[in-house]
Amino acid sequence: GAGVSQSPSNKVTEKGKDVELRCDPISGHTALYWYRQSLGQGLEFLIYFQGNSAPDKSGLPSDRFSAERTGGSVSTLTIQRTQQEDSAVYLCASSFGSSTGGYGYTFGSGTRLTVV
Amino acid sequence: SQKIEQNSEALNIQEGKTATLTCNYTNYSPAYLQWYRQDPGRGPVFLLLIRENEKEKRKERLKVTFDTTLKQSLFHITASQPADSATYLCALDATGGFKTIFGAGTRLFVKA
Repeated sequence: GAGVSQSPSNKVTEKGKDVELRCDPISGHTALYWYRQSLGQGLEFLIYFQGNSAPDKSGLPSDRFSAERTGGSVSTLTIQRTQQEDSAVYLCASSFGSSTGGYGYTFGSGTRLTVV
Repeated sequence: SQKIEQNSEALNIQEGKTATLTCNYTNYSPAYLQWYRQDPGRGPVFLLLIRENEKEKRKERLKVTFDTTLKQSLFHITASQPADSATYLCALDATGGFKTIFGAGTRLFVKA
């Protein structure tokens, strides 16, 4: 597609429920990243995919968080048993190469997750 | 640990003036430094990338400098316009790493 598409744009969920966030990157972009941004904070790295594999999962906050990418395209970030501290904007980005290749990222508009 | 610092105070300037934003980093040897613009409710938008062996890069009204000795980057917007009002994020790629680390950003307000 023309840009990085994320869905849903907003999600309100009850504490303890599971949520799935979807990211559809730019066609042909092999690298995909998930970040989250809390109010007034910088972007917190979660996970990086190159193709379907995830060489760097170091940013996932706990084992309640998982992500997968299929067909080298769409990625899903799943949060199980959501907690209030999970409330944030979850941003997905894709790029033509890995970050160390010196390519800028194209970000989606994010999913605003609110856990009540 | 690796740290990026951007001025948390908002920068207010008059239209037509040059805005200068600062990004400092510690415990880091970045291969690349990037600047992004973020508007409320939107994801960041990539503006410029500068490599560690480059001192300066320009794009239209934007200029970025990269001083690896001072561990600092300056981001300049010349002839600023109210439409330039946004949050500007500095981001660094660690040499040999996969991820890009972002600063918290500096809010810029350009008054007409």
